[in-house]
Amino acid sequence: DTGVSQNPRHKITKRGQNVTFRCDPISEHNRLYWYRQTLGQGPEFLTYFQNEAQLEKSRLLSDRFSAERPKGSFSTLEIQRTEQGDSAMYLCASSLEQGASPLHFGNGTRLTVT
Amino acid sequence: KQEVTQIPAALSVPEGENLVLNCSFTDSAIYNLQWFRQDPGKGLTSLLLIQSSQREQTSGRLNASLDKSSGRSTLYIAASQPGDSATYLCAVRRADFGNEKLTFGTGTRLTIIP
Repeated sequence: DTGVSQNPRHKITKRGQNVTFRCDPISEHNRLYWYRQTLGQGPEFLTYFQNEAQLEKSRLLSDRFSAERPKGSFSTLEIQRTEQGDSAMYLCASSLEQGASPLHFGNGTRLTVT
Repeated sequence: KQEVTQIPAALSVPEGENLVLNCSFTDSAIYNLQWFRQDPGKGLTSLLLIQSSQREQTSGRLNASLDKSSGRSTLYIAASQPGDSATYLCAVRRADFGNEKLTFGTGTRLTIIP
């Protein structure tokens, strides 16, 4: 399967703990995106990378959130000191650099903060 | 600020019928519009992407149209099947240079009744 891969699929954590999610994009895609989706809502943009450079960040991405994409391959999204409001599905997507390229999404990581 | 609306929020139709899903957006300065499908607990699957200069795109039983000036898009599904049951989301990308963010609607949950 050469699609976008996200791990873990589910994560349950206690408030105040740190969590890290991983995304492996489609290999030839140099653009990588993180979105967050809560129940009954459409995904909301968090951040985007072109190769290893983080080019855009949403105001939703508070100081507790950090994303990296070392060497322009896989990406990690870390949430420090989790809060119950962080509970959501975290979706990763990738695309080719051309503007007309569609986004390909992974199956997401569902985070539950208790 | 771009806002994307999808009405209705839910739709049930008998198998075999043709149907139309609607998407409207407030800022007509878009680069492209994408339709996605999302199955419960899963990520998004790209269905069709329409560039701002295009009027429609077709893939199999799906046809998407775009009227940029009026801020509307429709997704037409012909000869619906139970496997078409899913939530359908539209998303627009603004025309600003370097803006990679997609703004999503909240989706239409479609149920095809066998």
